[in-house]
Amino acid sequence: GAVVSQHPSRVICKSGTSVKIECRSLDFQATTMFWYRQFPKQSLMLMATSNEGSKATYEQGVEKDKFLINHASLTLSTLTVTSAHPEDSSFYICSARGASGGLQETQYFGPGTRLLVL
Amino acid sequence: AQSVTQLGSHVSVSEGALVLLRCNYSSSVPPYLFWYVQYPNQGLQLLLKYTSAATLVKGINDFEAEFKKSETSFHLTKPSAHMSDAAEYFCAVYNNAGNMLTFGGGTRLMVKP
Repeated sequence: GAVVSQHPSRVICKSGTSVKIECRSLDFQATTMFWYRQFPKQSLMLMATSNEGSKATYEQGVEKDKFLINHASLTLSTLTVTSAHPEDSSFYICSARGASGGLQETQYFGPGTRLLVL
Repeated sequence: AQSVTQLGSHVSVSEGALVLLRCNYSSSVPPYLFWYVQYPNQGLQLLLKYTSAATLVKGINDFEAEFKKSETSFHLTKPSAHMSDAAEYFCAVYNNAGNMLTFGGGTRLMVKP
């Protein structure tokens, strides 16, 4: 199956700093990438959807200036949490979807990034 | 808009017993349906998916799910639970018009020895 990687897997930062999380599709071209946030013992909350070369579409309530998303290539999307605060601590998961054959309907998920803001 | 309801946030079974995780959906158009599994501190792994082909879908690790349009259900089953099946399971519906996945609330499966 298709593989999606995320880096880093864990990050601890001080309040006020910015953190960048990378999401890569390793063996397919991802025309669309998604960023989710997951709180403990809860389901995934979609933050934004990005198509390669286009601006991301943010879900209601998600601050686009706070969570900067870049999808510059068909295999890489980045999420930057700017001026992080403790309430931004969470588990961030990306997923990717291609546009050819069976990949078109399925979203493949990365392993997640645990962010802790002190 | 599509939605997904997973009945039972926690399900506990004994090792070797049948696993049944319930999922009901609502969608105005024929849905694509998915089951994902999440182990602690990991991302989601695709178990199986329904994309309008056979209504009984077989996935990895002996899991299967049956699409029942009349009941708007897509329940996940496994004949015999293993300890390693303990995880969080998410049902999701993908609607082409919506261009995104909508997840259920998740069901935590616990397997007792």
